[in-house]
Amino acid sequence: GQSLEQPSEVTAVEGAIVQINCTYQTSGFYGLSWYQQHDGGAPTFLSYNALDGLEETGRFSSFLSRSDSYGYLLLQELQMKDSASYFCAVRLNAGNNRKLIWGLGTSLAVNP
Amino acid sequence: GAGVSQSPSNKVTEKGKDVELRCDPISGHTALYWYRQSLGQGLEFLIYFQGNSAPDKSGLPSDRFSAERTGGSVSTLTIQRTQQEDSAVYLCASSFGQGDTQYFGPGTRLTVL
Repeated sequence: GQSLEQPSEVTAVEGAIVQINCTYQTSGFYGLSWYQQHDGGAPTFLSYNALDGLEETGRFSSFLSRSDSYGYLLLQELQMKDSASYFCAVRLNAGNNRKLIWGLGTSLAVNP
Repeated sequence: GAGVSQSPSNKVTEKGKDVELRCDPISGHTALYWYRQSLGQGLEFLIYFQGNSAPDKSGLPSDRFSAERTGGSVSTLTIQRTQQEDSAVYLCASSFGQGDTQYFGPGTRLTVL
């Protein structure tokens, strides 16, 4: 089977740094994506890692270690608007079926 | 340009009725996905269309669920004989064939009474 594990909830304060981990066990692996979803909204793409290492995009960074089947999303200088759910998703292969396997999401609460 | 659109935004129906949910993907996107999300839960994959290939229906929860994609563009998800457990937000996403990023529509909130 396919499984992705990420914490269900994380709490932090404004200005802090938070790391949301994602470990995966899948039949294949081509890359790891992160999506953000605010309450009542649709998921929006944040980042994608196909190779080991850190990808930085502004306050958000994403890391991947293929040998450890592990990745994380790092959010810096937290703002109240970062309160949302964050999903990791694995792309299984490079072929025609580019379906993503999704984690259950991590609910991040940023407090003042 | 226009994003992914879905209609209706909200649908309330009685148990046993059939419903049709519509998705208009971003123009030029060859891949289209349907997901279901229950309150406070993650995304549950339902079905995936890629170009002219046979759809991946592996996520459909029962034979009451079906979907089609006409002309490689608009898709309709049909739920027959709805049950209360079908109540959820149904999300549609599309992606460009060579890429990975999925662009989501606003969803249809389905309530089965």
